[in-house]
Amino acid sequence: GESVGLHLPTLSVQEGDNSIINCAYSNSASDYFIWYKQESGKGPQFIIDIRSNMDKRQGQRVTVLLNKTVKHLSLQIAATQPGDSAVYFCAERTGGGNKLTFGTGTQLKVEL
Amino acid sequence: EAGVVQSPRYKIIEKKQPVAFWCNPISGHNTLYWYLQNLGQGPELLIRYENEEAVDDSQLPKDRFSAERLKGVDSTLKIQPAELGDSAVYLCASSGGPYNEQFFGPGTRLTVL
Repeated sequence: GESVGLHLPTLSVQEGDNSIINCAYSNSASDYFIWYKQESGKGPQFIIDIRSNMDKRQGQRVTVLLNKTVKHLSLQIAATQPGDSAVYFCAERTGGGNKLTFGTGTQLKVEL
Repeated sequence: EAGVVQSPRYKIIEKKQPVAFWCNPISGHNTLYWYLQNLGQGPELLIRYENEEAVDDSQLPKDRFSAERLKGVDSTLKIQPAELGDSAVYLCASSGGPYNEQFFGPGTRLTVL
């Protein structure tokens, strides 16, 4: 069936460097995408979203890029900090009802 | 503003025992979700409520799982009897703001021995 997946299960970066977390999706009918951050022992926390009619959206230190041609989504974190260490999930919404399909997750580790 | 509240945070039971989880959504949020999250995986939707009506329960294993949201606010998710494979984190989320963003609670970590 349709699914959302991540390319890299673990990403290690140095503090201060930029991080890029990637996500591939297969459902071309998805109209809305979200990145969540999940710290240990906590629920997923909304980071940033993007609609399918956009290619790029920026937030505070984060940027999401959407390439519908290759069904690829990425999350860029500028000047990565130790507090950014977490598991990051992309999620897609297809059709109505606000139902989200989550990918597997990427563990981001920030090294001092 | 209080977030989504879940209890208990942790639960350890023996297989074949019943267990129940409770969720209090963000005030004013009409939509409530229960998700199952296995280790290292993304959350998977079990059931979605619009007020007190379950509008999507297609992924809920109805032979042992049940849920209710009687007054359209709090919700409980029950497993009876629990199996070893039910060990996971059970997340509750709610939405209802202008952007319909889902806010998650901290989850209940269930361990079935």
